[in-house]
Amino acid sequence: TQTVSQSDAHVTVFEGDSVELRCNYSYGGSIYLSWYIQHHGRGLQFLLKYYSGNPVVQGVNGFEAEFSKSDSSFHLRKASVHWSDSAVYFCAVSAVNNRIFFGDGTQLVVKP
Amino acid sequence: EAAVTQSPRSKVAVTGGKVTLSCHQTNNHDYMYWYRQDTGHGLRLIHYSYVADSTEKGDIPDGYKASRPSQENFSLILELASLSQTAVYFCASSGLGGRWQDTQYFGPGTRLLVL
Repeated sequence: TQTVSQSDAHVTVFEGDSVELRCNYSYGGSIYLSWYIQHHGRGLQFLLKYYSGNPVVQGVNGFEAEFSKSDSSFHLRKASVHWSDSAVYFCAVSAVNNRIFFGDGTQLVVKP
Repeated sequence: EAAVTQSPRSKVAVTGGKVTLSCHQTNNHDYMYWYRQDTGHGLRLIHYSYVADSTEKGDIPDGYKASRPSQENFSLILELASLSQTAVYFCASSGLGGRWQDTQYFGPGTRLLVL
């Protein structure tokens, strides 16, 4: 069974700062890793996904994530955050031909 | 653009009453899911379906039933609502072509309060 862990429940930064949201997973086989964003009162929306190839994947709105097999990680980064990036971010993992598992989420607060 | 709609968007129910949450997707997706989200927590899978007229149990199916009468529609039924079922419920769809790992598209959620 796959598991996904997001070690930071809350992250607070100032507008213009860079941010990294951490995600670690446990699974030994081939997996898909993805990030979703949830704005307050809304459903989750897809940000980006990795399966193979270049370990750095680009998503919408300047987000990118880097896969590391050695660290079992898939951290999400943004070089310069905007107040509108304030949301809850969910990391997710799914094995090939298996269901998706979501982490507990990281609440990002961007202060002006 | 992919679209998943849910109704109602919010509901107040009484303990012991029956509640039906509805979900409709226009994505032509095979998979549909019902998740529950409790304040400050992630998503937990209740039921899912990969084809009409068939449903499967997720991680927390107790106290819930599901119905998939067509590819587009997926309902979650609480036969005897309880206080512990107060939560936000999300429907999602995925799997154009029937793959688990495809991107999931979520509805806006239904906020259920059981009194």
